[in-house]
Amino acid sequence: SQKIEQNSEALNIQEGKTATLTCNYTNYSPAYLQWYRQDPGRGPVFLLLIRENEKEKRKERLKVTFDTTLKQSLFHITASQPADSATYLCALNSGYSTLTFGKGTMLLVSP
Amino acid sequence: GAVVSQHPSWVICKSGTSVKIECRSLDFQATTMFWYRQFPKQSLMLMATSNEGSKATYEQGVEKDKFLINHASLTLSTLTVTSAHPEDSSFYICSARTSIGTDTQYFGPGTRLTVL
Repeated sequence: SQKIEQNSEALNIQEGKTATLTCNYTNYSPAYLQWYRQDPGRGPVFLLLIRENEKEKRKERLKVTFDTTLKQSLFHITASQPADSATYLCALNSGYSTLTFGKGTMLLVSP
Repeated sequence: GAVVSQHPSWVICKSGTSVKIECRSLDFQATTMFWYRQFPKQSLMLMATSNEGSKATYEQGVEKDKFLINHASLTLSTLTVTSAHPEDSSFYICSARTSIGTDTQYFGPGTRLTVL
């Protein structure tokens, strides 16, 4: 069956360090993968999209990699700040225009 | 740009009543809108895909007669939870695509539904 797994429910890091979140999937062949940020009681906010033919994408302090052989995406936040604390969701396109989401990883950045 | 609003942000209702949730794209026309449900500490689950002027496509296991979706214009979609029960209590979130061929979805802030 199709499955999306994000490495852990929660990740605690110190301010200034790089946070690395993992998204693994099985039985999918996504054309693209997206990362979203979700704060408590709020809807997800789009961060980055990476396509199957792209290895890496960057946006300010964010970097996403996509390895279709390993069926894995890594999401990095460099120089992390307490304001980066949130739940981060990965999502795959699972059909024409539809997305399937992972459960998310809650990131806590301590001062 | 690409702002999506939802109304209400939260609602409490009695069991057996119906609740309507509105989703609006404020600064763009949305040919496609999506409705999701999210339970605590769970992922977003797609309920249905709604295209303007046509019937919604529901995901397996979602009762179309219970969750009525209307996409009457390019900027408005509504979800009506009919005869709500406590197990329908959840966080309902809509999203919209700006145009056909665009892969990014922009999400609304969500509506917290509590059924007593």
